[in-house]
Amino acid sequence: EADIYQTPRYLVIGTGKKITLECSQTMGHDKMYWYQQDPGMELHLIHYSYGVNSTEKGDLSSESTVSRIRTEHFPLTLESARPSHTSQYLCASSERGIGYSPLHFGNGTRLTVT
Amino acid sequence: LAKTTQPISMDSYEGQEVNITCSHNNIATNDYITWYQQFPSQGPRFIIQGYKTKVTNEVASLFIPADRKSSTLSLPRVSLSDTAVYYCLVVSISGGSYIPTFGRGTSLIVHP
Repeated sequence: EADIYQTPRYLVIGTGKKITLECSQTMGHDKMYWYQQDPGMELHLIHYSYGVNSTEKGDLSSESTVSRIRTEHFPLTLESARPSHTSQYLCASSERGIGYSPLHFGNGTRLTVT
Repeated sequence: LAKTTQPISMDSYEGQEVNITCSHNNIATNDYITWYQQFPSQGPRFIIQGYKTKVTNEVASLFIPADRKSSTLSLPRVSLSDTAVYYCLVVSISGGSYIPTFGRGTSLIVHP
């Protein structure tokens, strides 16, 4: 079973607050990803990283930012939360190397901005 | 990037075999086909992947015809716990980057 952890599991916060969603993995994976998913909808890639000090934006524009200072840690930050940010945020990782290896997902953070 | 098309929903009954087909007409030579399962309030979980012909593991089988423009996930003898959303991914490498892209998925409901 994959070891990738997201905290908090649920977060309800007021408009304008700064929030950080945590994601950690203990598998030593180089590649990490953040997806955003609304209920009943597809997952949209918002950020990804191929290693330490590497971050890229995904195909869905997002006001969030990410950092990758350590291999195992890939936090996502919203400087000023808004109701439009209400969604589920899923973190994933995969092994290094050429070609494809399966994504391992955390259980997500369900964010509600009031 | 290869785009995938799946049925939005399917219904089945316990003990039946379920086949979910995914179309990916513009799949490229080096692309793999991968399927994930997602339960409510959880992240997707990898089920199976393949390149061509047939792949089988302890959970499912994946059938890929010679032209690779479609693939079929087969779940043998489903149970209520197989009720979930199933995603077909074509894993493409675009411009040197690696972008796993999910579609809408197929919502499978298994009835008693």
